[in-house]
Amino acid sequence: DGGITQSPKYLFRKEGQNVTLSCEQNLNHDAMYWYRQDPGQGLRLIYYSQIVNDFQKGDIAEGYSVSREKKESFPLTVTSAQKNPTAFYLCASRLTGTGGTEAFFGQGTRLTVV
Amino acid sequence: SQQGEEDPQALSIQEGENATMNCSYKTSINNLQWYRQNSGRGLVHLILIRSNEREKHSGRLRVTLDTSKKSSSLLITASRAADTASYFCATGPSGTYKYIFGTGTRLKVLA
Repeated sequence: DGGITQSPKYLFRKEGQNVTLSCEQNLNHDAMYWYRQDPGQGLRLIYYSQIVNDFQKGDIAEGYSVSREKKESFPLTVTSAQKNPTAFYLCASRLTGTGGTEAFFGQGTRLTVV
Repeated sequence: SQQGEEDPQALSIQEGENATMNCSYKTSINNLQWYRQNSGRGLVHLILIRSNEREKHSGRLRVTLDTSKKSSSLLITASRAADTASYFCATGPSGTYKYIFGTGTRLKVLA
């Protein structure tokens, strides 16, 4: 079955720590995205990537970093520079040809600072 | 910045009534898509409408697109309690692969 998988489902971070959220897809999609969602709010774009070894900052990239070493994988690192990281993080992928297709989402990672 | 702004932010209706939510966006687009999110879960795609289409139907869903006003609406007919969720529009500015979501409408359908 094709799909997009995020792990872990829940993650706890201590002050000053970096943590990495995993996102893997086997849909052969070219583009991948990371979003942050705060309670009762919409999705805000953190980073996105269309091809391996290339990615672009979204609207709220400060305090985050990504890599795209493989087409299937797009991990997100929440660094200690992100002062308010507690949120729900969603990864998505889609095809971008001919105007783009629907996005497929993982089930999300809920990050809490302790 | 959000590409799409949706209204209303929240909507509460009785089962059987219709629910309408609106989305406005800022740039030219190739298509616009609507998604549903149940609390604490990932988003599920509902329907895609292309920039050269004005209206599209899928089951109880009806979507319209007005590119001159840069706006879209989602109508859910004969709503059910199971339709309770948040609904988001999403677009990508033409010529980019950026993909941005609206602020969402929280729909509550009362049984």
